[in-house]
Amino acid sequence: AQSVTQLDSHVSVSEGTPVLLRCNYSSSYSPSLFWYVQHPNKGLQLLLKYTSAATLVKGINGFEAEFKKSETSFHLTKPSAHMSDAAEYFCVVSNSNYQLIWGAGTKLIIKP
Amino acid sequence: NAGVMQNPRHLVRRRGQEARLRCSPVKGHSHVYWYRQLPEEGLKFMVYLQKENIIDESGMPKERFSAEFPKEGPSILRIQQVVRGDSAAYFCASSPGMESDYNEQFFGPGTRLTVL
Repeated sequence: AQSVTQLDSHVSVSEGTPVLLRCNYSSSYSPSLFWYVQHPNKGLQLLLKYTSAATLVKGINGFEAEFKKSETSFHLTKPSAHMSDAAEYFCVVSNSNYQLIWGAGTKLIIKP
Repeated sequence: NAGVMQNPRHLVRRRGQEARLRCSPVKGHSHVYWYRQLPEEGLKFMVYLQKENIIDESGMPKERFSAEFPKEGPSILRIQQVVRGDSAAYFCASSPGMESDYNEQFFGPGTRLTVL
């Protein structure tokens, strides 16, 4: 069975400092992994995806994530936080064409 | 291009009433997915539909919930005789097809259902 654990429900960083949102997954198969972002009162937007190509994946808005099979992790990072990054971030795993298993989400708070 | 449209954005129902949630996919997309998000939780898959067909409803509660995606018009998620536990955000997503290894799902803004 697949599962996703987002290790922090809230992360607070100062503007201009690095962001790290942690995600661990469990999957019997070679998974596809995603990060989605949800801004308040808006839909969900795909930030980036890993589908068995390069282990370091670059996404939109300066975010990137590294797939580490030995650690079963797919942490999301950004070198320098911007106020507009404040949102909720979801780590997602899939081993099929359509079934997505979602983490509980991490709320990112940016301090001025 | 318009994205996935969902309406209403907010819906309030009393216990025992019916809730009808609508989803218009991205133009040209023939696959629709419904998810439910309870407070402080991630999304949970409910059902996957193609035009006029239910492909996978393994996440749907066995009673009171139904979904359709007719040949013409939006996809509808219907909840009969709502209870307080149905209060949640319901998200619809669409994708173009199954040609690639992964079909990116494009999400709508969600419908927030409140049952009084």
